[in-house]
Amino acid sequence: DQQVKQNSPSLSVQEGRISILNCDYTNSMFDYFLWYKKYPAEGPTFLISISSIKDKNEDGRFTVFLNKSAKHLSLHIVPSQPGDSAVYFCAANTGTASKLTFGTGTRLQVTL
Amino acid sequence: NAGVTQTPKFRILKIGQSMTLQCTQDMNHNYMYWYRQDPGMGLKLIYYSVGAGITDKGEVPNGYNVSRSTTEDFPLRLELAAPSQTSVYFCASSKQVLTNTEAFFGQGTRLTVV
Repeated sequence: DQQVKQNSPSLSVQEGRISILNCDYTNSMFDYFLWYKKYPAEGPTFLISISSIKDKNEDGRFTVFLNKSAKHLSLHIVPSQPGDSAVYFCAANTGTASKLTFGTGTRLQVTL
Repeated sequence: NAGVTQTPKFRILKIGQSMTLQCTQDMNHNYMYWYRQDPGMGLKLIYYSVGAGITDKGEVPNGYNVSRSTTEDFPLRLELAAPSQTSVYFCASSKQVLTNTEAFFGQGTRLTVV
């Protein structure tokens, strides 16, 4: 039972354009959501997070939007850069849990 | 800063062999985790620990054991390796509960069981 879903395994975007990565979840108990970025042969690194009491969180070029009624969140990268090419994982947990539930990842390729 | 260090980086095991994946962190984090990532899949939690002497099962604990005798170290033991345990293993640590606190990951151990 995949509680966190990333239905697009890959995405290709031109440099300078907006990248939008999507994530859906089924567990209504989730109240914290995080995005991790992973380069080949490296461990994931934290990118940005959002609490369920917010609907938007921004950090530089990265913005995460949360739609609780639709159980959907998205990560926007503007403008996209070649160095953003990586696999992006959406993750979620409940406020009291010590563990994250990860999605299957979306591979983003930013082309010149 | 070393962060989270995993050894070895690569290993090939024969079916039925045992091994220990080492993980150490130098950030004085209470929380530590072991995940596995299979091709095309997300990370699945194997075991986690909220402090020295305390461990708990994650989503996919079968075939694995852990111990947490110190804050720094969280080894993962495979007793009887099976082909289904071929995967990339990631150790992680965090300062507190994973809400808006990030987890720091090691570089991973790629394990192949033949």
